[in-house]
Amino acid sequence: KNQVEQSPQSLIILEGKNCTLQCNYTVSPFSNLRWYKQDTGRGPVSLTIMTFSENTKSNGRYTATLDADTKQSSLHITASQLSDSASYICVVSAKSASKIIFGSGTRLSIRP
Amino acid sequence: NAGVTQTPKFRILKIGQSMTLQCTQDMNHNYMYWYRQDPGMGLKLIYYSVGAGITDKGEVPNGYNVSRSTTEDFPLRLELAAPSQTSVYFCASSYSRQGEDTQYFGPGTRLTVL
Repeated sequence: KNQVEQSPQSLIILEGKNCTLQCNYTVSPFSNLRWYKQDTGRGPVSLTIMTFSENTKSNGRYTATLDADTKQSSLHITASQLSDSASYICVVSAKSASKIIFGSGTRLSIRP
Repeated sequence: NAGVTQTPKFRILKIGQSMTLQCTQDMNHNYMYWYRQDPGMGLKLIYYSVGAGITDKGEVPNGYNVSRSTTEDFPLRLELAAPSQTSVYFCASSYSRQGEDTQYFGPGTRLTVL
């Protein structure tokens, strides 16, 4: 069964600290993996996309990694800011039938 | 560009009532989607469209209907609302099909059925 699991469910860190969010998936055959940021009361916004051959992709203070062998991805946030408070959603696409599976997200809160 | 817009932002319905959630995009995208997001769950695909006049069911289509008469608009119709349809609804669009291209999401409609 195609699944995407994210951990932790929620996380609170102090402003300026770093954090890492995890995503494990069982989607097959794998096409690509995206990380989205969803602010409260808003729709998700794409942060990064990685295909099978890519190990790392950065977008400013956001760095995503992908290990296609272990089917794991992580999103690392450096020097967190209050505006980073949001839910972060991992989305994995399967090649067949253009199917995409959304994780349930990690809710990140940055405290001043 | 306004991107993807949705109306209304909030709505409370009584059981058995009907309503239409509106969605419009101004990016000339061929593909449009409707998702629902329940607390603690990932987004689930309700219906999608690959172009004007063409729609297809997603993962959870029961209780919903859609139409796509123009490239820009993709309304979602709820007939005989039920408490199980209490959710946040997101419309999205993309240039090519989901999984291959970045999707752009609207701000969502929060629906409560009492």
